[in-house]
Amino acid sequence: ETGVTQTPRHLVMGMTNKKSLKCEQHLGHNAMYWYKQSAKKPLELMFVYSLEERVENNSVPSRFSPECPNSSHLFLHLHTLQPEDSALYLCASSHGQDNEQFFGPGTRLTVL
Amino acid sequence: GENVEQHPSTLSVQEGDSAVIKCTYSDSASNYFPWYKQELGKRPQLIIDIRSNVGEKKDQRIAVTLNKTAKHFSLHITETQPEDSAVYFCAASSNTNAGKSTFGDGTTLTVKP
Repeated sequence: ETGVTQTPRHLVMGMTNKKSLKCEQHLGHNAMYWYKQSAKKPLELMFVYSLEERVENNSVPSRFSPECPNSSHLFLHLHTLQPEDSALYLCASSHGQDNEQFFGPGTRLTVL
Repeated sequence: GENVEQHPSTLSVQEGDSAVIKCTYSDSASNYFPWYKQELGKRPQLIIDIRSNVGEKKDQRIAVTLNKTAKHFSLHITETQPEDSAVYFCAASSNTNAGKSTFGDGTTLTVKP
């Protein structure tokens, strides 16, 4: 275990549903990330939080809404998704800048 | 922003041979270059990294070289084994962009026994 956990591990949702992905780390890291992994783009950065402030929004549609209530937790709120949003969503954390990122196991999302 | 290109996208080698994966980056401010390995169905994990004040780093069968002038860095795996089969990602980041790493598109390495 790398110390980064994600729940749920699998999620199937309809286009009108609202769901949330959760990421938790107890490594004492101060930066957290959301990535989308699909066949089209192997590791696509979505959001970066540093010291609980969003420092990067990589042109992500508003149907994805991140939340970082504290340095150990990161959420991704999902609303009215499209089938093309089906992918593996990976969370990662790191200590400060320019350091190794520790990845969670990912949430496999299927949008029907 | 940073742009990282990775080649080749797929690489097949015979067990015991060497494998080389190359990446180029665009932002001269980038100073941290990690390599991640992702086995099928698993999360990416760091295998080696290098910082811009070093030209080469080695860890057993794995080595990374960095050419800051040309803005490229490479992963070298010697004496490849079937368990080296995985997707390998390079990345580049700088301390001016809050630690955001820009990843390459990955290389699928297959080591044939």
